[in-house]
Amino acid sequence: QITLKESGPTLMKPTQTLTLTCTFSEFSLRTTGVGVGWIRQPPGKALEWLAIIYWDDDESYNPSLKSRLTITKDTSKNQVVLTMTNMGPVDTATYYCAHRPRDHSFFAFDIWGQGTMVTVSS
Amino acid sequence: QSVLTQPPAASGTPGQRVTISCSGGTSNIGSRTVSWYQQLPGTAPKLLIYSTNRRPSGVPDRISGSKSGTSASLAISGLQSEDEADYYCAAWDDSLHAYVFGAGTKVTVL
Repeated sequence: QITLKESGPTLMKPTQTLTLTCTFSEFSLRTTGVGVGWIRQPPGKALEWLAIIYWDDDESYNPSLKSRLTITKDTSKNQVVLTMTNMGPVDTATYYCAHRPRDHSFFAFDIWGQGTMVTVSS
Repeated sequence: QSVLTQPPAASGTPGQRVTISCSGGTSNIGSRTVSWYQQLPGTAPKLLIYSTNRRPSGVPDRISGSKSGTSASLAISGLQSEDEADYYCAAWDDSLHAYVFGAGTKVTVL
């Protein structure tokens, strides 16, 4: 079955750049329509969509964070990487990657990774 | 403040039916499909409803979704203790060009 797993630093200092890797299995980002997205959740707060990348390299970003985000993919490694610049304490959150199915009649993330907690503190 | 508005809490006794509302606008719920996610404490969200009213394989049919105009609803019938969780609605927003989530509703089984 499809799985995704996030990896990256657990503790960061303000102004640093965050690099998170999502390693997935049992699907390919060469398959038409498929996408991998990133969503985060500050402690005790709601989910916030960050970005998504598709099989055809199309990218989409949350407008409120677009200037700080870059999403890329390495199809041969089955990985998607998210970078976020100028991290601050408000970016402390659990970061999830998730699979978007190839059926674009709807938008949803059907399979999620377990999440990785990132704390930003001086 | 979330684009999609959900009540912060809902509750019911075992066996009851609980409904969670999600209010949006014409650029999201009014023109797009809605998804719902369940998040049990300390775990990743799980897709419960997609395309407004469709259930992924494995989600019981006592869970249902609907939409009318710019509002959507999630109904849980035959409430069980394992339904205690946070529930989030979500939809693509054509004006914001973003996938937006509601603030979440905490369901408590009394």
